[in-house]
Amino acid sequence: KAGVTQTPRYLIKTRGQQVTLSCSPISGHRSVSWYQQTPGQGLQFLFEYFSETQRNKGNFPGRFSGRQFSNSRSEMNVSTLELGDSALYLCASSPASNYGYTFGSGTRLTVV
Amino acid sequence: GENVEQHPSTLSVQEGDSAVIKCTYSDSASNYFPWYKQELGKGPQLIIDIRSNVGEKKDQRIAVTLNKTAKHFSLHITETQPEDSAVYFCAASSAGGTSYGKLTFGQGTILTVHP
Repeated sequence: KAGVTQTPRYLIKTRGQQVTLSCSPISGHRSVSWYQQTPGQGLQFLFEYFSETQRNKGNFPGRFSGRQFSNSRSEMNVSTLELGDSALYLCASSPASNYGYTFGSGTRLTVV
Repeated sequence: GENVEQHPSTLSVQEGDSAVIKCTYSDSASNYFPWYKQELGKGPQLIIDIRSNVGEKKDQRIAVTLNKTAKHFSLHITETQPEDSAVYFCAASSAGGTSYGKLTFGQGTILTVHP
C-alpha cells in the first residue's frame, strides 16, 4: 500500500516568490492535514481538508492557503515568501478525521 | 486551545534499558493521543495511539498509558535497541468542530540508545 507522497522533496525559493507543494494521500483517505515543522516552533497545524472543503485552519497568515481536489490530492500554496517560512512542510492523511494520521516525508522549503 | 507539554526533551539510555516519555495536555475534550517517531530526513511515523476510553495499550515493546483525571499520558519502551534512537512526539486531539484534523504536538524528545 503506497504511503503519503509529497512533492517536491526539496525546494529553494527567493524571498517574495510563491510556492506550491503537493500531497497525494493514501488511497481511500479523505482527510488531509498540513503541518509546518521548524526547530523553534515544532510541529504546527496549518489546515485540514475533507472532501474538497477546508474544515479547520491554524493560526497562520493568509499567505498560506490550500485546496483539495476530488481525488483527495491536496496542494498548499505560500505567497510572498519570507525567510521565516523556511521549514519542513508535512502532509498527513487519515481515513476519517481525528485519528490514525499517516505523514509523508515532507517538503523541505528553504527561502533565501 | 489545547496545549501539550512533553518531558524530557532529551533522554539517553543504555541498550536493553527502558525509556519513559511523559506528556500532559490541557483540554479535557481531547480524546485521542497518538505517539510518533521521527527519524532524520523522514516524516513522523505513528507508533502507537490510545483513545480516552482506554487506560493502557501495548504493542510488543511499546506501551502507552493514559490518566484522564490528571490529563497526562506516557510512552514506555522496554528493552531498548539502538534503532529506537529518534525523536519522539506525543500529540492530542479532540473530535469534530474546530479540532477537525488537528493534532497538537508536544515539543519532542530526542531518545538516544547507546549500544
